Amino acid sequence: DQQVKQNSPSLSVQEGRISILNCDYTNSMFDYFLWYKKYPAEGPTFLISISSIKDKNEDGRFTVFLNKSAKHLSLHIVPSQPGDSAVYFCGVAGTSYGKLTFGQGTILTVHP
Amino acid sequence: EAGVVQSPRYKIIEKKQPVAFWCNPISGHNTLYWYRQNLGQGPELLIRYENEEAVDDSQLPKDRFSAERLKGVDSTLKIQPAELGDSAVYLCASSRQGSYGYTFGSGTRLTVV
Repeated sequence: DQQVKQNSPSLSVQEGRISILNCDYTNSMFDYFLWYKKYPAEGPTFLISISSIKDKNEDGRFTVFLNKSAKHLSLHIVPSQPGDSAVYFCGVAGTSYGKLTFGQGTILTVHP
Repeated sequence: EAGVVQSPRYKIIEKKQPVAFWCNPISGHNTLYWYRQNLGQGPELLIRYENEEAVDDSQLPKDRFSAERLKGVDSTLKIQPAELGDSAVYLCASSRQGSYGYTFGSGTRLTVV
């Protein structure tokens, strides 16, 4: 029973274009959502988050959108840069205090 | 600020052998997590500590896995005996109480042969 799904295992984008990474969840009780980025041989690092009272949060080139009715969140990176190439995990929280549940990850490759 | 430190970075052991991983969290972070990440999957929570108390160990396979966090700082995760299916990256993370902005360590990549 996978509560968080990232249905695209990989995404390839040209430098300067927009990257859109998607995440779907099943439990409407989740109320806090995060994106983490992971480079090879490193641990995931926190990127951006959004609470369920908002539908958009922006931080520089990164914007997270939340559609509660569709139980869907997305991460937009614009413009994409080669240094953004990494694995991106969405994480959701709220059903169990202190517990983050992660999706399977999407490998983003930004080509120069 | 120093990050979350894990050791060793890599470990190769034969099945049925014991193995232990060590984690030093960020100073002042009360909450410590051990996650396991299988190849091509996202991290899955094994155990969460608030100070020295294990408050969520529902996903920890207790027949072979054990963990401790003495004095509410460093933590060790042990597997005894290891099985082939335990091959994975074991990630430690820490956070201030109530925060979801975890800081992860670089992980220990375990290979059981």
